[in-house]
Amino acid sequence: NAGVTQTPKFQVLKTGQSMTLQCAQDMNHNSMYWYRQDPGMGLRLIYYSASEGTTDKGEVPNGYNVSRLNKREFSLRLESAAPSQTSVYFCASTPGVSNQPQHFGDGTRLSIL
Amino acid sequence: AQKITQTQPGMFVQEKEAVTLDCTYDTSDPSYGLFWYKQPSSGEMIFLIYQGSYDQQNATEGRYSLNFQKARKSANLVISASQLGDSAMYFCAMREARGNQGGKLIFGQGTELSVKP
Repeated sequence: NAGVTQTPKFQVLKTGQSMTLQCAQDMNHNSMYWYRQDPGMGLRLIYYSASEGTTDKGEVPNGYNVSRLNKREFSLRLESAAPSQTSVYFCASTPGVSNQPQHFGDGTRLSIL
Repeated sequence: AQKITQTQPGMFVQEKEAVTLDCTYDTSDPSYGLFWYKQPSSGEMIFLIYQGSYDQQNATEGRYSLNFQKARKSANLVISASQLGDSAMYFCAMREARGNQGGKLIFGQGTELSVKP
């Protein structure tokens, strides 16, 4: 079972370059999320999509854009990468029912030089 | 103010002993859910256990149980009979119901557990 698939797993960018992180889930989940994880700070929500066709800002949206391409796919774009965006990025999905956990992808480790 | 607080940055436990990881939360919403995730050194996030605010009994899943004290706003994870494979980062998270159609989670900062042989 694939679950939530993120690509790429690793990426190194130069400051100012653009990049799109891809996420796809095969569980027919309604809601999808993008988080970043920095040392000592847990996971912080960047953007989320409660259902196909909707997106909303999370706690730390600056410098990012998202697209909910269809029910399966939710991409995260860095238009002009900055060193402060060096982080591990996680995509997650959930059916939307309140007691169901979010299922996470394996993460993308992004370094910006 | 922090909505989820994990006060133990790191903990050690002897193999086969039980360990409690602390989590306190802050919400005025009467309807909420609490989740615990495990993140081993390989990096993936693994769901462990869930407790709903209206659940009458403490949640249990195998060696994991949740010590839910609603009045104290605490949801501590108890791992019984620790194993070497339990060494990992553990995150507590909360989902509030009010105004949260998107099902967003708020995470604590995590506790790093090391199991000693």
